[in-house]
Amino acid sequence: GAVVSQHPSRVICKSGTSVKIECRSLDFQATTMFWYRQFPKQSLMLMATSNEGSKATYEQGVEKDKFLINHASLTLSTLTVTSAHPEDSSFYICSATADRPEAFFGQGTRLTVV
Amino acid sequence: DAKTTQPPSMDCAEGRAANLPCNHSTISGNEYVYWYRQIHSQGPQYIIHGLKNNETNEMASLIITEDRKSSTLILPHATLRDTAVYYCIVRPLTSGTYKYIFGTGTRLKVLA
Repeated sequence: GAVVSQHPSRVICKSGTSVKIECRSLDFQATTMFWYRQFPKQSLMLMATSNEGSKATYEQGVEKDKFLINHASLTLSTLTVTSAHPEDSSFYICSATADRPEAFFGQGTRLTVV
Repeated sequence: DAKTTQPPSMDCAEGRAANLPCNHSTISGNEYVYWYRQIHSQGPQYIIHGLKNNETNEMASLIITEDRKSSTLILPHATLRDTAVYYCIVRPLTSGTYKYIFGTGTRLKVLA
């Protein structure tokens, strides 16, 4: 299957700082990327959908000014958590789709805000 | 909201078939059934998808009822590495931009 890579896999940051997470499709061009957040023992919650070259579409209740998404190319999308606080600590996962029926997911990024 | 319901957990003996059910009684005519699984602390892994015919690949088989209101994912010979949360998702195939909405899934534990 196609490969989606996230970086970093783990990050610890201080409260009030910003953190950037990268999501790359390594062997295909991703027309659409999705960002999810997952709290312990819960399911994945969709945060936003981004298409290359256009603004992301955020799900209800997700603050677009706090979670900045940039999808500047067909192989890279970034999620920036601005002014992170302990309640933003979570497992963040991206996925990417192209002209195939299935989506492919990154390995996830565990963010801990202290 | 997720359009599927699954049992929260199941156990299966190693080497036996694991049959994971999914109810999707409100599925639309253009929606496919997808199955993904998530091993602890990893991203979800695609397993299989189908519309109305039964499907099989190297990982699993997917059986969809004739009325398409439910389906079963079959892992023919479960191993310990199949222990994971399995998610059943319905979505239209026609557009890659259409989002995947995850429900609560089934936590499968394969027992030695």
